Amino acid sequence: DAGITQSPRHKVTETGTPVTLRCHQTENHRYMYWYRQDPGHGLRLIHYSYGVKDTDKGEVSDGYSVSRSKTEDFLLTLESATSSQTSVYFCAISDLVRNTEAFFGQGTRLTVV
Amino acid sequence: KQEVTQIPAALSVPEGENLVLNCSFTDSAIYNLQWFRQDPGKGLTSLLLIQSSQREQTSGRLNASLDKSSGRSTLYIAASQPGDSATYLCAVRPQGGSEKLVFGKGTKLTVNP
Repeated sequence: DAGITQSPRHKVTETGTPVTLRCHQTENHRYMYWYRQDPGHGLRLIHYSYGVKDTDKGEVSDGYSVSRSKTEDFLLTLESATSSQTSVYFCAISDLVRNTEAFFGQGTRLTVV
Repeated sequence: KQEVTQIPAALSVPEGENLVLNCSFTDSAIYNLQWFRQDPGKGLTSLLLIQSSQREQTSGRLNASLDKSSGRSTLYIAASQPGDSATYLCAVRPQGGSEKLVFGKGTKLTVNP
């Protein structure tokens, strides 16, 4: 299994509070991604990174920011959590975009109350 | 915009049956297609990756085919077992500068003993 660790695995937070989710990889892969998974919507890309300090938006990026200061760590921050951000969040990694598999972490279940 | 569809959304079969899961995509300009398995409450496990130049890939009892021109892929599972019960997702990586995987919503497979 690819070395991807997400933390925390579960979190309950209150509306309006900031939340940071962490993705850590030991594979030295260049690309890292944050997805959210919701019933009826499937997996949707939030943000991705193609190198240290190089990030870009996905299809559902509003209300989220990311940072990547080291190859191995990719942080997802909800600046002010809302109930609509209750979801399961997955981190993924891949090496060369065009030719290699993507590997996923175990997910973080976030509940905003 | 690339869209990925998986039909049916759910499938129930008796143990031992051979079965086919379907995935279709709207734009044939892809780098590759990947099949994943997801168990309840878990992350995605990569099953097979097919490059755009390939027609099929095999791993054990699994065989995935790709017909890029018609925008279709199938995942064939031979001699199904109760342990194969899971949700199966396909994802394509579009050409044209996009870095993201585009996912279908999955087929939930139940194999009954």
